[in-house]
Amino acid sequence: QSALTQPASVSGSSGQSITISCTGTSSDVGGYNVVSWYQQHPGKAPKLMIYEVSKRPSGVSNRFSGSKSGNTASLTISGLQPDDEADYYCCSYAGTSTFVLFGTGTKVTVL
Amino acid sequence: QLQLQESGPGLVKPSETLSLTCTVSGGSISNNNYYWGWIRQPPGKGLEWIGTISYSGSAFYNPSLKSRVTISVDTSKNQFSLKLSSVTAADTALYYCARRDRVGIYLDPWGQGTLVTVS
Repeated sequence: QSALTQPASVSGSSGQSITISCTGTSSDVGGYNVVSWYQQHPGKAPKLMIYEVSKRPSGVSNRFSGSKSGNTASLTISGLQPDDEADYYCCSYAGTSTFVLFGTGTKVTVL
Repeated sequence: QLQLQESGPGLVKPSETLSLTCTVSGGSISNNNYYWGWIRQPPGKGLEWIGTISYSGSAFYNPSLKSRVTISVDTSKNQFSLKLSSVTAADTALYYCARRDRVGIYLDPWGQGTLVTVS
């Protein structure tokens, strides 16, 4: 089993919107509606930002949104802010043999 | 508020067994709505799922690590543990514990992580 594919880096100016993709297969992302997204600032533990494709935990800004089409899930950050600069990882259930896969991670830079 | 805290040796010799414990506070580990998991992150690299266990002891492991990993749970101490045998330098990483939703598969909250160096 391989990690889900994410772009290594995405950048945008303050106030802009960016989208991070997470590409898998029909055996993971495409087969189940349990994709989650995590934000990780340097030296910190990952923080849940989106679960079950598009649900936001309490306390997470509505500037963060998730979606899925086929084998690709996406995280959109609107109104980009300096504190959004971090690494982002997607995660998906991958069936009863592989169980869980993380994405390769995306570094978001706020210009 | 639920909190998780990893503990264990920060330095392990090659070929020996890495042992970590995650202590859960602010809630009971004996909750059928959740599983409990371990995730690691080599320095400067991405996240890797190690395995997950239910409070009743049902465990699921990353196939690439399955031959070396054992996860156990101690409900009396509200703790779960990780053992990784025959470690090499490639097992050097930040090790995190986290609560996993049984249905949604998502991980929340996470512990702060503990660095284990194999040398």
